[in-house]
This record gives sequence, structure tokens and C-alpha cells, in this order.
Amino acid sequence: RKEVEQDPGPFNVPEGATVAFNCTYSNSASQSFFWYRQDCRKEPKLLMSVYSSGNEDGRFTAQLNRASQYISLLIRDSKLSDSATYLCVVTGEMDSSYKLIFGSGTRLLVRP
Amino acid sequence: EPEVTQTPSHQVTQMGQEVILRCVPISNHLYFYWYRQILGQKVEFLVSFYNNEISEKSEIFDDQFSVERPDGSNFTLKIRSTKLEDSAMYFCASMDRTYEQYFGPGTRLTVT
Repeated sequence: RKEVEQDPGPFNVPEGATVAFNCTYSNSASQSFFWYRQDCRKEPKLLMSVYSSGNEDGRFTAQLNRASQYISLLIRDSKLSDSATYLCVVTGEMDSSYKLIFGSGTRLLVRP
Repeated sequence: EPEVTQTPSHQVTQMGQEVILRCVPISNHLYFYWYRQILGQKVEFLVSFYNNEISEKSEIFDDQFSVERPDGSNFTLKIRSTKLEDSAMYFCASMDRTYEQYFGPGTRLTVT
């Protein structure tokens, strides 16, 4: 089983649409959770951390369900500039390195 | 806004040659990482570095790889004898006490 699984997409949506991405992770001992976005041939950029209580940053809402080992990202009112690959990322077990474990990403295309 | 920088942006080398990839992490960060991304694949952890020593390394990080923090600002990744399969984007990242990692723009390594 992959450590972090995501639907690769692409999700092709019109501007203004609401789109949701889901992700599952295999290690129940994972400590921290993130969504990053990656544009083509660029570095991953931190979009938001994900907390058990859920958190929102503008048009973006992230949720974590530890019992189901499931993470989600909701994007409201999609913009053309939201077109990118969205990476679900978890850390390993509580240890000294806090290495990041990446999913393969979900590609989003927002069309005019 | 502080950022991670990396040089060079693109390195072309012949198989068997040594390369050194350089990174300047964000100045007050204490944890440093190297990741790589082969074209079309997911981002993979290579090594983490804290308190002037390696805290964790992946199976990819074999004896051909080494890291160093020679002074208070630079963080380097050396590949002693490059192989064709080392061709990838190499990302440096640094982390603050909130456990959020910030990535540099990457070095594209092409081994011919």
C-alpha cells in the first residue's frame, strides 16, 4: 500500500467552481499533515498545514480525519491561477527528522 | 520574506563525475533536508540534517551521497560518482519550529 495516496486527476473545472481533493495515508503514527502546491517544474510551495479541527485560509479549507487516515482540501471559487498539482504530504512517526512523505499529487486545471 | 536559495539552477555533468549542489536555508531554521524528484514522479526524501549531523537518510542516500554544512549558512549535497539515474530535480528545504518546511527552487541535475 502506498504511504500517501491521491487521485492523480486531472480535475478540469470552470472558473468559479468548487473542487475537492482527497488523500489517504497508511501510517497511523503520522504526526503532521500538509497540502503543498506544485507548478510545473517548480518547487513545492506550502499551501496550508492541516489540523484535526479543520482549518480555513481564504478560499481553501482543509480537513483531517485521523480515525479514517483521510485528509481533504476544498477550493471554493476556483481561479485560473489555482491550476497546479496539489500534493498531500504527511510526516513520518514522531522522530527526530520530521521528513516529509509526499503523495503523487492531484492535477487541477481551471478553465476560463 | 526569507527564502531558501539553491545554486546552480541547472547542472549538466557526465556519468562518473562528482557534483556539489548548494543551498542556503532560511537563516533561523535548524532542520535541513534534501529531496529529489525524478521527472514525472513524486518528491522523495533523501536526507535530514540537524545539529550538524544526519538525523535520517533514505535508502536512496547511499555511500555516493554526502551532506555538509561547512559554515553557518551553506548546506551542500555531494554526489561522488554520478549515474544516469541520478538525473532529477534536487530540492533543499529547511524547517522552523512550527514543523513547516520551505523549499528552495531546486537544482535540475542532468547526467549524460
